[in-house]
Amino acid sequence: DVKVTQSSRYLVKRTGEKVFLECVQDMDHENMFWYRQDPGLGLRLIYFSYDVKMKEKGDIPEGYSVSREKKERFSLILESASTNQTSMYLCASSLPSRDTQYFGPGTRLTVL
Amino acid sequence: AQSVAQPEDQVNVAEGNPLTVKCTYSVSGNPYLFWYVQYPNRGLQFLLKYITGDNLVKGSYGFEAEFNKSQTSFHLKKPSALVSDSALYFCAVRAPVYSSASKIIFGSGTRLSIRP
Repeated sequence: DVKVTQSSRYLVKRTGEKVFLECVQDMDHENMFWYRQDPGLGLRLIYFSYDVKMKEKGDIPEGYSVSREKKERFSLILESASTNQTSMYLCASSLPSRDTQYFGPGTRLTVL
Repeated sequence: AQSVAQPEDQVNVAEGNPLTVKCTYSVSGNPYLFWYVQYPNRGLQFLLKYITGDNLVKGSYGFEAEFNKSQTSFHLKKPSALVSDSALYFCAVRAPVYSSASKIIFGSGTRLSIRP
C-alpha cells in the first residue's frame, strides 16, 4: 500500500521561528510536492521537486524554501514564520509522468 | 494558462438521491482531468482520472465522471448518495505536455453534504 507520511499532524509555532515540515514517501517516486490548503482557495503549489537536489518554485514560494537530499524525503522550511503562514500543509508524490499524486495526511500549522 | 473552476462551494443532497459536483476547466490541448476527495482531517485521496478514451470514467466508491469537451466540463456523479460520501471534493487539471511548467492545478473545492 502506497504511503506518504508527514512528521506532524498539528504544529504550533511563534512568529519568527524557523519551522521544518518533513515528508517521507515509500513509493520510490521521483516527484514530490508541497501545497498549502486554505478555505475557498483550494490547494496552491508552494514548491516541487522532480529529483534529488532538484527543486522548482510553484505558485506561492515566497517565505518558503525546500530541501531534498534523499529521494524519499522532501522538507519544507519556513525561514521566519509569520501569522499569514497559518494553514494546512499537504505533501504529495508522483511518478515522473506527474499523473496521479498521492497525498500525506497534512500538517495543520498555527503561527501565533 | 490552465485553470479549473468549481462553481459550487457546497452541494447538499439527500441520501439515496443522485449527486453531481460540477467542474469546468480551461487548458490548451487535450486535458488530463482528476477528481480527489478529502475526508475530515485527512489528506486528499485519488478518485478517478480522464486522460483519453471513453468520456465516462468510473472510479472509486461508485463515483463516475463525464468528460465533455464541447462544454469543457468534467462533472463528478454518483447514482445514489451515501452519508459517508460527505467530504470535500477537488477537481484538478493538467495540460498534456510534460514539462516543468505543466503542473496540476486544483479547483477551490466543493463540500458535499449528504443528509440521512
